[in-house]
Amino acid sequence: EDKVVQSPLSLVVHEGDTVTLNCSYEVTNFRSLLWYKQEKKAPTFLFMLTSSGIEKKSGRLSSILDKKELFSILNITATQTGDSAVYLCACISSGSARQLTFGSGTQLTVLP
Amino acid sequence: NAGVTQTPKFRVLKTGQSMTLLCAQDMNHEYMYWYRQDPGMGLRLIHYSVGEGTTAKGEVPDGYNVSRLKKQNFLLGLESAAPSQTSVYFCASSYYLLDTQLRKLFFGSGTQLSVL
Repeated sequence: EDKVVQSPLSLVVHEGDTVTLNCSYEVTNFRSLLWYKQEKKAPTFLFMLTSSGIEKKSGRLSSILDKKELFSILNITATQTGDSAVYLCACISSGSARQLTFGSGTQLTVLP
Repeated sequence: NAGVTQTPKFRVLKTGQSMTLLCAQDMNHEYMYWYRQDPGMGLRLIHYSVGEGTTAKGEVPDGYNVSRLKKQNFLLGLESAAPSQTSVYFCASSYYLLDTQLRKLFFGSGTQLSVL
């Protein structure tokens, strides 16, 4: 059974701090890993990672994948209150459409 | 461009009642999905469809039925609602890139369902 585990489950920081969110996976026929940000409503796409060692960046957010050790990290530097959200990690397997497995998410709270 | 639209946004049911959630997408996506999200559980796949007229079971299909009569619509039905089906339901759709088998999901805004 495919498994995606995120840690920590929740995190409280102050504005300006740097945070690292973790995602480890055990997925058959792994293809890619995705990060989503979920505020009150629907998850919004952040990154898709397919190759090891290539860092993806978008402003203060960055992410990297390690396919040997089966994990990914999402870094957020100089956090702002608007970064408060649940961050979801999901893995795609090759094959049928249903094989996209989500982790339970990390609840990040950024205090002013 | 509306993207993925879910209706209704909120619903309260009594145990044993039935209802249908509607998902509509205007991006001509082949793939559509229904997920439920419970506290601490992440998103779990209920049913999915890889094209008009086709549906398949996901991780937690019991108590739900689906239909995809038109490419743009994916309906989720609860025939006899139970308190365990209290959850937030998300519909999603995706395209399929043949060369890389990669997909990104486009989500609807969710339906908060409470079953009393």
